[in-house]
Amino acid sequence: GDSVTQMEGPVTLSEEAFLTINCTYTATGYPSLFWYVQYPGEGLQLLLKATKADDKGSNKGFEATYRKETTSFHLEKGSVQVSDSAVYFCALIDNTDKLIFGTGTRLQVFP
Amino acid sequence: EAQVTQNPRYLITVTGKKLTVTCSQNMNHEYMSWYRQDPGLGLRQIYYSMNVEVTDKGDVPEGYKVSRKEKRNFPLILESPSPNQTSLYFCASSFLDLTDTQYFGPGTRLTVL
Repeated sequence: GDSVTQMEGPVTLSEEAFLTINCTYTATGYPSLFWYVQYPGEGLQLLLKATKADDKGSNKGFEATYRKETTSFHLEKGSVQVSDSAVYFCALIDNTDKLIFGTGTRLQVFP
Repeated sequence: EAQVTQNPRYLITVTGKKLTVTCSQNMNHEYMSWYRQDPGLGLRQIYYSMNVEVTDKGDVPEGYKVSRKEKRNFPLILESPSPNQTSLYFCASSFLDLTDTQYFGPGTRLTVL
C-alpha cells in the first residue's frame, strides 16, 4: 500500500538556522501531500499542502514542493524560531481516500 | 470559536471495562474520523464517517466501535478495552472529505491496565 517515510528525529537546531525535514512517499498515481504540525500537548494542525506535481505549498515561512520525479515533499524554512519546536508529520491521501501519515519528526530549536 | 473537543483528556482504566470517548465539532463538518497515535507508528485511522449514519473502517478498527447519530458528535467506544489499546487518540473533522483541511481535537490519552 501507499506509504510515507520521514527522516528520523530529533532535529536539533539553533535559532535562525535553516531547516530541512525530508519526506518521501510511495503511492499509486499522484496523491495530495500534506505537512501537519503538532505543538506540545496539542492536536495536529495543517501546515501546508500540495495537490499536484510541482505545486509549492507555503505557510508561516515554511515551504514544500511536490516533486514527482523524486517522489518527495521536503519541508524547508529559512530561519527557524524557538516557537517552531514541535513534531512535524508528512502525510498523503492514498487511492482508497485514506490519510496516511509518516512517523513524525521532532524539531527542537534552541536560542 | 471553531473547534473540535474531546472528553476525557486523560483516562486510566482496567481491562474489560467499557468506555466511551466523546468527540464534538461546532463547524457543521460532514467528515469526522478517529486516529490513534503510537510512538514510531505515526497516526493511524481507526474509523471515519462521511455523514450522519454513515461510518466506515479505517486501518485499525479492531476493538473499536463508533456511531454518528448527529452531525456534530462522533463518539469512540471501546466495548472491552485491552492493554494494547493504550494510546493517544485524536478526533478530527473536515468540511466534506479528506481533501479539505482536517481539524484535530486536543487528544485523549488512554491507559488500559
